[in-house]
Amino acid sequence: NAGVMQNPRHLVRRRGQEARLRCSPMKGHSHVYWYRQLPEEGLKFMVYLQKENIIDESGMPKERFSAEFPKEGPSILRIQQVVRGDSAAYFCASSLGQSGNQPQHFGDGTRLSIL
Amino acid sequence: KQEVTQIPAALSVPEGENLVLNCSFTDSAIYNLQWFRQDPGKGLTSLLLIQSSQREQTSGRLNASLDKSSGRSTLYIAASQPGDSATYLCAVPPGQGGKLIFGQGTELSVKP
Repeated sequence: NAGVMQNPRHLVRRRGQEARLRCSPMKGHSHVYWYRQLPEEGLKFMVYLQKENIIDESGMPKERFSAEFPKEGPSILRIQQVVRGDSAAYFCASSLGQSGNQPQHFGDGTRLSIL
Repeated sequence: KQEVTQIPAALSVPEGENLVLNCSFTDSAIYNLQWFRQDPGKGLTSLLLIQSSQREQTSGRLNASLDKSSGRSTLYIAASQPGDSATYLCAVPPGQGGKLIFGQGTELSVKP
């Protein structure tokens, strides 16, 4: 499967725990994007990364959320001390180049539920 | 600030009809516009990407047009099928690259 791979598909956490969401981009893609889809809301941009660099984190909440895309391995979206409002579908996308001239390809998402 | 709007929010048509989905954006200085399909519980599937220099793109029964000056794009689906039932989203990058700004989507239901 050469598509964007996200895991886990479903994640359940209790309030106060940490959530780690993983994303492996398409082969050859070095640009990764994270989006969040809240119930009954549209997709909202969170963060844009290239290998080892955060390019744009304008959509990331200021606290508890962080993202990385190391030289080796998948991109990780980390949410510390989760709260009920973090329950959402989190989607990762990747592109070959900047999305000005390259399409973004999406994974199937991680559905995070907070108890 | 770029805003993307899709009308209608939901659409139900009988099988075989041709239909048009609408997408409008407030800032005409876009590099491209991308149409996606999202099935329930799934991720987004890229359907078409139109560069700002293009007027339309076609893929099978799908045809997307772009009018930058009026801030509009349409997705035309010919001879609709029940398998076309999904939510259709349009999105634009606000600059040369990076994030996409999405519309709220149009939920399409094609009745057999």
